[in-house]
Amino acid sequence: KNQVEQSPQSLIILEGKNCTLQCNYTVSPFSNLRWYKQDTGRGPVSLTIMTFSENTKSNGRYTATLDADTKQSSLHITASQLSDSASYICVVREGQAGTALIFGKGTTLSVSS
Amino acid sequence: NAGVTQTPKFQVLKTGQSMTLQCAQDMNHNSMYWYRQDPGMGLRLIYYSASEGTTDKGEVPNGYNVSRLNKREFSLRLESAAPSQTSVYFCASSVQTGPSYEQYFGPGTRLTVT
Repeated sequence: KNQVEQSPQSLIILEGKNCTLQCNYTVSPFSNLRWYKQDTGRGPVSLTIMTFSENTKSNGRYTATLDADTKQSSLHITASQLSDSASYICVVREGQAGTALIFGKGTTLSVSS
Repeated sequence: NAGVTQTPKFQVLKTGQSMTLQCAQDMNHNSMYWYRQDPGMGLRLIYYSASEGTTDKGEVPNGYNVSRLNKREFSLRLESAAPSQTSVYFCASSVQTGPSYEQYFGPGTRLTVT
């Protein structure tokens, strides 16, 4: 069964600290992997999209990594800010046909001052 | 550009009532989607429309109907609401349904069925 598992479920860090969120997937065939940020009460907003051949992709203070062999991805947030408090969702696109996006349950990040 | 807009933002229904959730996008996208998000679960696709005039079922279509009114608008209808349909509903759009196309999400409609 195609699944996307994220860890930890929730995380609390101090402002200015770094953190890393994990995503493991069993989706096959794999097309791409996306990280979304979802602020409370808002819709998800894309941070990165990574294809099979991409190992690392950055978007400002957000850096995503992908290991397609082990089917693992991580999202590293550098120098966290209060505005980084949100849910971060890992999403894997299955195959080429249709629209199958497999969503993880998300990691809830709280950044405190 | 407003992007993807949804109305209403909040709604409370009694079991058995009907309602339509509205979605519109101003990005000239061909494809539109309806998702639901439940606590402790990832987003799940209800229905999608690859292009104007076409609609297809997603993972959880039971209890819902959709209408692609035109290229801009895609509505979701609950004919007889049930408590199990209490959820947050998100509309999204993309240029096409292909794997490399980004999906842009609306702000969501929070629906409670009592």
